[in-house]
Amino acid sequence: EAAVTQSPRSKVAVTGGKVTLSCHQTNNHDYMYWYRQDTGHGLRLIHYSYVADSTEKGDIPDGYKASRPSQENFSLILELASLSQTAVYFCASSDADTQDTQYFGPGTRLLVL
Amino acid sequence: GEQVEQRPPHLSVREGDSAVITCTYTDPNSYYFFWYKQEPGASLQLLMKVFSSTEINEGQGFTVLLNKKDKRLSLNLTAAHPGDSAAYFCAVSAWSNNRIFFGDGTQLVVKP
Repeated sequence: EAAVTQSPRSKVAVTGGKVTLSCHQTNNHDYMYWYRQDTGHGLRLIHYSYVADSTEKGDIPDGYKASRPSQENFSLILELASLSQTAVYFCASSDADTQDTQYFGPGTRLLVL
Repeated sequence: GEQVEQRPPHLSVREGDSAVITCTYTDPNSYYFFWYKQEPGASLQLLMKVFSSTEINEGQGFTVLLNKKDKRLSLNLTAAHPGDSAAYFCAVSAWSNNRIFFGDGTQLVVKP
């Protein structure tokens, strides 16, 4: 059974529209992360969270907000979607005690037109 | 912050040949090192996690070498087969936090 799930798996959005990507984990992990992957590149960290009701900025937070309403759920919000935000978005979780391996969700393919 | 450089960006080999992918990193405090495999349209699958205290780690059909002095990490697929065709990413993390930093990936093609 998949431990990190994402919804939707793909989405087409219009420029200027609001987009919400959702992530749910059943790993009982404290840390959750949002990354974006552009074609031919590695993952870049957007936001992360180490506890419910708290989020931290990653390396590329501009244009994104995050919300962690519970340990299991972590959302990424694009208030005003732009063409440059077309990418694949991955959610991940990790255990704070072991401070190591991140487990990734299946990804959400976002196309902004 | 940590900078991770991965080479080559593209690699094509014949079935049975070896394939070597290398990453260099900048933070001497880096402690955990990872190799991930990503098949087309799929998520990242952890191949191996290594610690800074180990140098050679063997997996199923591959070897990971860590050279702390040179801050270099490599993945060697010893006898590649077409099922190994995928994108491979190295990642590096420091001891003090849960952040990991990714290389830009290597697209490996193994031809029959």
